[in-house]
Amino acid sequence: QKEVEQDPGPLSVPEGAIVSLNCTYSNSAFQYFMWYRQYSRKGPELLMYTYSSGNKEDGRFTAQVDKSSKYISLFIRDSQPSDSATYLCASVDTGRRALTFGSGTRLQVQP
Amino acid sequence: SQTIHQWPATLVQPVGSPLSLECTVEGTSNPNLYWYRQAAGRGLQLLFYSVGIGQISSEVPQNLSASRPQDRQFILSSKKLLLSDSGFYLCAWRPRGASGNTIYFGEGSWLTVV
Repeated sequence: QKEVEQDPGPLSVPEGAIVSLNCTYSNSAFQYFMWYRQYSRKGPELLMYTYSSGNKEDGRFTAQVDKSSKYISLFIRDSQPSDSATYLCASVDTGRRALTFGSGTRLQVQP
Repeated sequence: SQTIHQWPATLVQPVGSPLSLECTVEGTSNPNLYWYRQAAGRGLQLLFYSVGIGQISSEVPQNLSASRPQDRQFILSSKKLLLSDSGFYLCAWRPRGASGNTIYFGEGSWLTVV
């Protein structure tokens, strides 16, 4: 079993839709959670970073963590064609200090 | 501000040839450094990480090696490439201190072994 599981998609939505991207993790030692966006043939860029359970909002993006169910989500409001990319969730435990990634969900926002 | 440089961006190498990918970080001191590989359609696999000069931890046994000759320089090498070494290689860094719970990536190096 992978430590971080993520639906690979692809997920196709119309412009303006609300997008929900989800991951589950199995390692109880994971304390920090991130979402990265990766455009084709580019390095991943950090979108959101959160530590505690609950919601964290940044513009059109909301990251949600539920440590009790080991479930992390990213919501994108008013999705734009420029949001079309692969979204990677990641977690890190305080011991190893290296991120463990999900396999990524490919999102396509149709204009 | 901090920046990370990785090169070359793209390379095509024959099976059995050597490899050297370089990464440097600017604007920070004593960062943790990482090499990840991303095979086509797959997630990121941690290959090596380093907490200081000359200190390398290997996550996956393979024909690759890493070195950190200077504080902000990280090198990924191979003496003889295999077809299975093809992929997207990403260097990343993590700052020390309170903000050190996430990492930042370079633009990556596309390696095709033929």
